[in-house]
Amino acid sequence: DTGVSQDPRHKITKRGQNVTFRCDPISEHNRLYWYRQTLGQGPEFLTYFQNEAQLEKSRLLSDRFSAERPKGSFSTLEIQRTEQGDSAMYLCASSLQGVMPYEQYFGPGTRLTVT
Amino acid sequence: EDQVTQSPEALRLQEGESSSLNCSYTVSGLRGLFWYRQDPGKGPEFLFTLYSAGEEKEKERLKATLTKKESFLHITAPKPEDSATYLCAVQARGSTLGRLYFGRGTQLTVWP
Repeated sequence: DTGVSQDPRHKITKRGQNVTFRCDPISEHNRLYWYRQTLGQGPEFLTYFQNEAQLEKSRLLSDRFSAERPKGSFSTLEIQRTEQGDSAMYLCASSLQGVMPYEQYFGPGTRLTVT
Repeated sequence: EDQVTQSPEALRLQEGESSSLNCSYTVSGLRGLFWYRQDPGKGPEFLFTLYSAGEEKEKERLKATLTKKESFLHITAPKPEDSATYLCAVQARGSTLGRLYFGRGTQLTVWP
């Protein structure tokens, strides 16, 4: 049983650079979520896909952020022109539509440090 | 606005000393309340889902309960390996299907 995987696990980048993260959900899950977590806080919702359709984006997701889920399988989250405030853990989660109890299973996260 | 508040922020227990963590929520119609465990540097690990007031779920030394305004995570005779941050999250009816609203968590430390 393979869970949600994320790559890379850690990313250090300089301010102004672009970064891209990948998430592979549990194979039969058609819903995929991105969250961001900073130190001492709970995860905050960023965006959500059902299959390949991006159905909602949080106000936290500025124009520098873009997410895709081509073919409804893996997803990528890109941050352009990174800022120090983007430093956080980026978490991906997946769930199965229409099946109770709607729980989301999280990946190990990608820790981003912007210097 | 949907909100989740967890208390205490941090809790230190001696091994075997039972206690409870609290999660208070304000949501426009509860679809589900979730408890997760998070170890440092890792993603949250799913523990329980509760749907309606009066519901209870148990797993090993953990028991989660739900009322109309709050949930409790009871830890019976904890062991050092139970040390982690415990996160509570709610899923609301009428909002984005599936979006979770998290509290800030309770950092639990169990010492031998």
